[in-house]
Amino acid sequence: AQSVTQLGSHVSVSEGALVLLRCNYSSSVPPYLFWYVQYPNQGLQLLLKYTTGATLVKGINGFEAEFKKSETSFHLTKPSAHMSDAAEYFCAVSSLIIGFQKLVFGTGTRLLVSP
Amino acid sequence: EPEVTQTPSHQVTQMGQEVILRCVPISNHLYFYWYRQILGQKVEFLVSFYNNEISEKSEIFDDQFSVERPDGSNFTLKIRSTKLEDSAMYFCASGYRGDPLVTQYFGPGTRLTVL
Repeated sequence: AQSVTQLGSHVSVSEGALVLLRCNYSSSVPPYLFWYVQYPNQGLQLLLKYTTGATLVKGINGFEAEFKKSETSFHLTKPSAHMSDAAEYFCAVSSLIIGFQKLVFGTGTRLLVSP
Repeated sequence: EPEVTQTPSHQVTQMGQEVILRCVPISNHLYFYWYRQILGQKVEFLVSFYNNEISEKSEIFDDQFSVERPDGSNFTLKIRSTKLEDSAMYFCASGYRGDPLVTQYFGPGTRLTVL
């Protein structure tokens, strides 16, 4: 079985500050990891994904995440927050081996950005 | 850029009624999924569909649910007799097989309210 834990249902930062959204996963097989973003009244948009290879992955809008197998983590970061980054962020795990590559999501973290 | 579309954006129905949620996947995608998100909870996998058949379904996806790809472009989710607990946001996703996995693209969702 696979699962995802996102620490902190809400994270507040000031504009220009570092963004750090935490994600820890559990998987009995090699995981594929994703971050999705959901803006108000919109669907889920893929930010970035880790499959194999380089453990630091870069996504859209200046976000990046690092896969750390020893810590079972895939935290999302951005050096400098913009007001437009305010949204809900979901970490998800999948696998080639378990299921038909369904995504297993965390509970989400709402990012609030203040001026 | 092609995107997944869903109709309606909001559906209100009475308990016991049948509803059909519609999705138009991205045209060259071959993998199709439905997920749902009950208010305040995590996004949950319902069903995956490939080669005109269900490839995997969750325990949520009981006999009240069915999926169909009636005409090669639409992908529908039918709930035969809605319950109050079916109230949720329903997301359709479609995907292509990249290397090594299927990347899923989500629609904006249909909010289903069962009264």
